[in-house]
Amino acid sequence: QSVLTQPPSVSAAPGQKVTISCSGSSSNIGNNYVSWYQQLPGTAPKLLIYDNNKRPSGIPDRFSGSKSGTSATLGITGLQTGDEADYYCGTWDSSLSARADVFGTGTKVTVL
Amino acid sequence: QVQLQESGPGLVKPSETLSLTCAVSGYSISSGYYWGWIRQPPGKGLEWIGSIYHSGSTYYNPSLKSRVTISVDTSKNQFSLKLSSVTAADTAVYYCARHERDCSGGSCHHWFDPWGQGTLVTVSS
Repeated sequence: QSVLTQPPSVSAAPGQKVTISCSGSSSNIGNNYVSWYQQLPGTAPKLLIYDNNKRPSGIPDRFSGSKSGTSATLGITGLQTGDEADYYCGTWDSSLSARADVFGTGTKVTVL
Repeated sequence: QVQLQESGPGLVKPSETLSLTCAVSGYSISSGYYWGWIRQPPGKGLEWIGSIYHSGSTYYNPSLKSRVTISVDTSKNQFSLKLSSVTAADTAVYYCARHERDCSGGSCHHWFDPWGQGTLVTVSS
């Protein structure tokens, strides 16, 4: 059972925008930085966003990240069919009971 | 360009030990970073297993700690995972990844990049 909660799925038409939420607590998102990953079907996850809102080299600016309090959000604008994938958030959980790197439950993006 | 490649048996019997190796190319493990293992059961989400620093210090997911050992061989530029007493619940795609982790400022910066292609390990008799 992940400590980071994401909606199971989101969808939109090509060219539109989607947002994916990642809800946590003060022991994880509230006090640490968030990363986001894209997992295309049958492939390994790929880093999209790190340090809440920074994009690695080669990631288009259609992808953006933000954080507020104990939640983080990934935004994808100008949606393309190639964006159909599973998306995961990740962070460090510093709670005394379970100090661990944690991932969100995952969100499937469908392009209508 | 940093590349990682997992290798190891694709089938392990229940109660035995799962052993995987991750070969790193394009970067010397001795130069820094943590190096981690993450797994994904079929149709499910990601679970961090543990990570090792280039110096050999390790930290593990508390839920798996009693069964996990991660080691590093800098001479071969690779690191390894051993998971003991496996059951069907350990059936998953196992990924290795370079792990950026810095908690020096109080808040932890953390991400995994790049990832290996993954290897499916099935636990079955």
